[in-house]
Amino acid sequence: GAVVSQHPSRVICKSGTSVKIECRSLDFQATTMFWYRQFPKKSLMLMATSNEGSKATYEQGVEKDKFLINHASLTLSTLTVTSAHPEDSSFYICSVAGAGGKETQYFGPGTRLLVL
Amino acid sequence: GNSVTQMEGPVTLSEEAFLTINCTYTATGYPSLFWYVQYPGEGLQLLLKATKADDKGSNKGFEATYRKETTSFHLEKGSVQVSDSAVYFCALRTGANNLFFGTGTRLTVIP
Repeated sequence: GAVVSQHPSRVICKSGTSVKIECRSLDFQATTMFWYRQFPKKSLMLMATSNEGSKATYEQGVEKDKFLINHASLTLSTLTVTSAHPEDSSFYICSVAGAGGKETQYFGPGTRLLVL
Repeated sequence: GNSVTQMEGPVTLSEEAFLTINCTYTATGYPSLFWYVQYPGEGLQLLLKATKADDKGSNKGFEATYRKETTSFHLEKGSVQVSDSAVYFCALRTGANNLFFGTGTRLTVIP
């Protein structure tokens, strides 16, 4: 399967700043990547689907101006949390849709964001 | 709507013990069901899956059977090892490519 990395693995920032999280597919060209968010003791929630070269598709209730997604190449998608607030503190996980299509997703290790 | 409920952890077992992690689901249509595993410091990995009723998914000694009548997909392993310590996620997918996950169950196996 595909190897997916995320950077940084954890980040602490001040309220009001913006944070960029990178998701890289190291050995696979990914036309589709997904961004998830996980709160403590809660399920992973899909935030958006990122398609290379086009705008991301956001799930209901996710602010697209708050969570900016850029999928500029087949190996890189970025999530920028703009003007972060403490309630944005969470675990953010990306995944890559595999060659098998929609059924297979390969996940990154996640990024833990703490906003003070 | 779609949702997945799995047993809360953490679960602590001795090596060679029998493991069951319960998972039940609610779905529109006929979902495919999955178990993902996340080892420390790594991303979620697909452990096993079943795409229709009565199918049994299996991998690495783990098994789960798609039970439509009880809307369940419980994960079992007859004899766990220390290396099985991880967080296990039950998930479903219907039609589109969105996966719906449970909250995850942390398993710790002690020697």
